[in-house]
Amino acid sequence: NAGVTQTPKFRVLKTGQSMTLLCAQDMNHEYMYWYRQDPGMGLRLIHYSVGEGTTAKGEVPDGYNVSRLKKQNFLLGLESAAPSQTSVYFCASSYGDRGPNQPQHFGDGTRLSIL
Amino acid sequence: GDSVTQMEGPVTLSEEAFLTINCTYTATGYPSLFWYVQYPGEGLQLLLKATKADDKGSNKGFEATYRKETTSFHLEKGSVQVSDSAVYFCALSDHSGGYQKVTFGTGTKLQVIP
Repeated sequence: NAGVTQTPKFRVLKTGQSMTLLCAQDMNHEYMYWYRQDPGMGLRLIHYSVGEGTTAKGEVPDGYNVSRLKKQNFLLGLESAAPSQTSVYFCASSYGDRGPNQPQHFGDGTRLSIL
Repeated sequence: GDSVTQMEGPVTLSEEAFLTINCTYTATGYPSLFWYVQYPGEGLQLLLKATKADDKGSNKGFEATYRKETTSFHLEKGSVQVSDSAVYFCALSDHSGGYQKVTFGTGTKLQVIP
């Protein structure tokens, strides 16, 4: 059972370059999320989606865009990468539409460095 | 807004020692509470959860009780093993913003030495 799969696992970019992080889940979850994890700051929500074709801003959305064209996929884009976006990015999904007691399922992360 | 406060780490224990990681929360509604564990190089995994006051979540020897009166959800284990070395995150989940919003603590790193 694959669960939540993130690609790529590692990436190094130069300032100003663009890229897309891919997230795929095979659990038929309605809700999907993108977080970034930085030392001493826990996880911060970038964007989320409550269903196919919908997206919304989270806590730290600036510099990122997302799309959810298919229920199983949630894409995170960096249009013009900046060193402040160096982080570990996690995708998660859940049956959040069934209530707050649903756990989130996480991918293994994408480690992104911006030089 | 919602918030979660965890004891700062790192926590270093000898094998078979007793573990407590403190977690307190602030929430306006009636959240569900979770502990997640993150092993090196991996994503977070659900360890246990509790959905209402006085519920006790348990898994793999870990326990935590939802204490509404003290707004706490402390994680405990009676005898830790080297394999328990990881980062532990306390989290709360509610629907106050119109979606399942999850607020995480900053994480507590546990190192268990033989």
